[in-house]
Amino acid sequence: LAKTTQPISMDSYEGQEVNITCSHNNIATNDYITWYQQFPSQGPRFIIQGYKTKVTNEVASLFIPADRKSSTLSLPRVSLSDTAVYYCLGPNTNAGKSTFGDGTTLTVKP
Amino acid sequence: NAGVTQTPKFRVLKTGQSMTLLCAQDMNHEYMYWYRQDPGMGLRLIHYSVGEGTTAKGEVPDGYNVSRLKKQNFLLGLESAAPSQTSVYFCASSDWTGGSYEQYFGPGTRLTVT
Repeated sequence: LAKTTQPISMDSYEGQEVNITCSHNNIATNDYITWYQQFPSQGPRFIIQGYKTKVTNEVASLFIPADRKSSTLSLPRVSLSDTAVYYCLGPNTNAGKSTFGDGTTLTVKP
Repeated sequence: NAGVTQTPKFRVLKTGQSMTLLCAQDMNHEYMYWYRQDPGMGLRLIHYSVGEGTTAKGEVPDGYNVSRLKKQNFLLGLESAAPSQTSVYFCASSDWTGGSYEQYFGPGTRLTVT
């Protein structure tokens, strides 16, 4: 399974934009990049996925450079409720097996 | 549409006891997974299934067995529980979306082995 690397923790303040970068040097040609969010005592929840360039939905944006060896999850104007662990999945299209890693703990302060 | 449900939500076992965790999904997904999550850690894949009647090992399969007799159910068994198996167990299901496998997770089962 492909390994990913992301910061262990980040702090931010309400209203700021937060960018979390993940490196995935071993990404395969067919792999998509997927991000999940996990609140305490809950299972992870899908946020966004992309293949290249930029993807945006109602929750976040995902930026992927041309070499696809990294990706950046962007959360616009975070609020206290965005405090969670964010996982960049080790890309793998083999039956959906993915490596979650330890994720990035984002703490949003008032 | 309940999504993914897990039974039970909490369980306390003594060392050496056995139990089965049940996962059910109503989305007709082909793929199902069992993960464990230790405090402060990420999820680790125990076993997974790519369809009814099939199972395969994940990252940390030792001490666990699984069965997928029906498409909608995925069972995780502990034959002889050990304190090292104290963890939160998450079940997930997914299907091919044309880009990747978006996984839907259950609420988790908190297991304590004393």
